[in-house]
Amino acid sequence: SQQGEEDPQALSIQEGENATMNCSYKTSINNLQWYRQNSGRGLVHLILIRSNEREKHSGRLRVTLDTSKKSSSLLITASRAADTASYFCATEGSYGKLTFGQGTILTVHP
Amino acid sequence: DVKVTQSSRYLVKRTGEKVFLECVQDMDHENMFWYRQDPGLGLRLIYFSYDVKMKEKGDIPEGYSVSREKKERFSLILESASTNQTSMYLCASSPRVGTGELFFGEGSRLTVL
Repeated sequence: SQQGEEDPQALSIQEGENATMNCSYKTSINNLQWYRQNSGRGLVHLILIRSNEREKHSGRLRVTLDTSKKSSSLLITASRAADTASYFCATEGSYGKLTFGQGTILTVHP
Repeated sequence: DVKVTQSSRYLVKRTGEKVFLECVQDMDHENMFWYRQDPGLGLRLIYFSYDVKMKEKGDIPEGYSVSREKKERFSLILESASTNQTSMYLCASSPRVGTGELFFGEGSRLTVL
């Protein structure tokens, strides 16, 4: 079963704009992670937020976590064409297993 | 840098063939995982291993088996490939339980004709 569900499925913006992607999940988690995938490549870890954290920053990335609503958001500020990729949220359960959502396809137009 | 290497980027096999997908990591990680990725379905966990010779079923193990004889190597085996196993297969590793980040290989795109 899919634990994380991203919204929207696709997002198209202009360079310089902010991009916001949302993720909802169903069961309790140890942490929630965001990954990026360029077309045809493997996934690359972006950021991890633990269940007792509410917000985390890394460069142009800002992640929030609301455990009461079982949701998270990823904000990419001042987007660039190089940010064009698919973005996945993943929730960690037992044995370090990650369950991924279906992803958001982000297109940033120059 | 952690490196996870998948032996083949692209494979084309025929229905009924036995297929081996190999994955090697060079950072002494305890955990290794195999996922498949399909459009509209995201990544789904096939099998994972948290120690040598240990394996656990993921969400979609049917039609697959795995082997982990050495810590650095985790193999995915399709005993008799079928067309519905055409997919992108992604291997990943992580240091140990609860450390979060997975390190992924570049993927193996398998086509079964």
